[in-house]
Amino acid sequence: KNQVEQSPQSLIILEGKNCTLQCNYTVSPFSNLRWYKQDTGRGPVSLTIMTFSENTKSNGRYTATLDADTKQSSLHITASQLSDSASYICVVSEDDMRFGAGTRLTVKP
Amino acid sequence: EAGVTQFPSHSVIEKGQTVTLRCDPISGHDNLYWYRRVMGKEIKFLLHFVKESKQDESGMPNNRFLAERTGGTYSTLKVQPAELEDSGVYFCASSSWAGAKNTEAFFGQGTRLTVV
Repeated sequence: KNQVEQSPQSLIILEGKNCTLQCNYTVSPFSNLRWYKQDTGRGPVSLTIMTFSENTKSNGRYTATLDADTKQSSLHITASQLSDSASYICVVSEDDMRFGAGTRLTVKP
Repeated sequence: EAGVTQFPSHSVIEKGQTVTLRCDPISGHDNLYWYRRVMGKEIKFLLHFVKESKQDESGMPNNRFLAERTGGTYSTLKVQPAELEDSGVYFCASSSWAGAKNTEAFFGQGTRLTVV
């Protein structure tokens, strides 16, 4: 069983709308949680990285939250753009990185 | 500064053949990781180099996979002989400062391997 579960598997939204992606993990202990964006045919690119003591981290229109007690994280995308269409991957790590399966986001005009 | 580069970007080989994937990490990065994504599933860890030493190879699926990092620079991942289930996208990532758990890891674009 994967130790990092993401939901939803896929999501379609209209340009300009907001959305929230979820990540639940059982990796313990862990040192940090990262959100990556992966465009088709490219490698993952880091959006945010949070330690277990951080609750929120923003990067432009992307805001990640972390609740270490419930072992949940979310990635909120504000005012979505067509270029936000990609897979968003949650990665929890101690010494090694454990990947979620990702959420495939499609932003339509 | 050049990012992590992987060669080739695509490879189609027949079952039983040998394929060698290459990863050039960001210059100066001691940590080099190999991952793979099979059949749309989650990306899974294969192994981790610190310089030229294998720090952790617990994710290597079997002895048909051999990874090397001579001189602590680029790394190769050889699959011999390739099987159908080896098809997937193989990613390489690198990071600086061995042992730093919060160091950013930069990924290459991946090599898509198809075994037919």
